[in-house]
Amino acid sequence: ETGVTQTPRHLVMGMTNKKSLKCEQHLGHNAMYWYKQSAKKPLELMFVYNFKEQTENNSVPSRFSPECPNSSHLFLHLHTLQPEDSALYLCASSQGGPPPGGQYFGPGTRLTVL
Amino acid sequence: QKEVEQNSGPLSVPEGAIASLNCTYSDRGSQSFFWYRQYSGKSPELIMFIYSNGDKEDGRFTAQLNKASQYVSLLIRDSQPSDSATYLCAPGVGGNMLTFGGGTRLMVKP
Repeated sequence: ETGVTQTPRHLVMGMTNKKSLKCEQHLGHNAMYWYKQSAKKPLELMFVYNFKEQTENNSVPSRFSPECPNSSHLFLHLHTLQPEDSALYLCASSQGGPPPGGQYFGPGTRLTVL
Repeated sequence: QKEVEQNSGPLSVPEGAIASLNCTYSDRGSQSFFWYRQYSGKSPELIMFIYSNGDKEDGRFTAQLNKASQYVSLLIRDSQPSDSATYLCAPGVGGNMLTFGGGTRLMVKP
């Protein structure tokens, strides 16, 4: 595997389900991110982890719960989601600076909440 | 609130022409500037970054930065149909905190 991988690529879940998204980076980076991309809206940053420590929580509802067990793996645990949470969820990683490097994205998980 | 403005387009250019994509940002603390290309149904792909005022060239791509005007642009020379995509501008403030614009959709017509 190379770059940033995400599983599953597609997920359909009911509002009462619990599921998890997985991300793994093979780039030796020390920061990882979760983004949400909805139709007609800019990418929204959800969470940032630097060296496994969460450094940013962009006012995300508690039904989204991140986990970063090490600098290569990132999870997003989902429960009691709403239909408006349907979106493309993107994981990214980067190497810290200075100067800061760019973020490299995984292919994303297309989530549909019924 | 940090804002990044891009014309949503579509910007239509003929094959072989220069495509000019523009971006303005509100946060004067922005220190690094990234351009991403996103094909329909795919994730964003990093294509250029620039940190200092002036121009930076990489193959057919040139990024231009003017911090005083809070303006960054991307020029694509000899545009090809394969360049048709949405281009995202992303200024960064400290560390790796990026704010993404809504993107400009580019269409290159053969």
